[in-house]
Amino acid sequence: DAGVIQSPRHEVTEMGQEVTLRCKPISGHNSLFWYRQTMMRGLELLIYFNNNVPIDDSGMPEDRFSAKMPNASFSTLKIQPSEPRDSAVYFCASSFDWGAYGNQPQHFGDGTRLSIL
Amino acid sequence: TQLLEQSPQFLSIQEGENLTVYCNSSSVFSSLQWYRQEPGEGPVLLVTVVTGGEVKKLKRLTFQFGDARKDSSLHITAAQPGDTGLYLCAGADDMRFGAGTRLTVKP
Repeated sequence: DAGVIQSPRHEVTEMGQEVTLRCKPISGHNSLFWYRQTMMRGLELLIYFNNNVPIDDSGMPEDRFSAKMPNASFSTLKIQPSEPRDSAVYFCASSFDWGAYGNQPQHFGDGTRLSIL
Repeated sequence: TQLLEQSPQFLSIQEGENLTVYCNSSSVFSSLQWYRQEPGEGPVLLVTVVTGGEVKKLKRLTFQFGDARKDSSLHITAAQPGDTGLYLCAGADDMRFGAGTRLTVKP
């Protein structure tokens, strides 16, 4: 079975531009997570969805960041406008019924390496 | 938010040596997870510990959950270059991660 699929793998863009990151979770998983990883701050949880509904978005840095999950097989993380400090690796992960069974494993994609110039 | 502190931050050892890394918190967790991340990839789950005092073994890796369920350790016996990576712990209650221990095993 395919794992979590993220696209693009790499993105380089100029500050002020809109950036959209995409994620396809593992089929059958109903919990989806977006993380950001930097050397300085480590792996930070941005937002998580359960059954396509955002449950906890307290980690979203500011209004420039938004995330959607229109259906069970697709999610986006958008940054508008982007800034150099948004440069990081962004990971998407999925799990089965994480809210009900807190010790379910998370399956991570390979990430999107984002560079804002 | 339950904060997790991992130590050491960096560890560089020779092949064949033993090592222990730690994950500590002042909060109680219902369970803790350990992940390993290799360059260019996402973290991969190694183990989940659930019961206070629990010990789990995965080949040369031994995981222990503290009696009070506030801390955990990972011990690697006879480390190999393939063990190189970033080891992360996460509280399964809120899926916040520690900063990780970056392990390098030299041949």
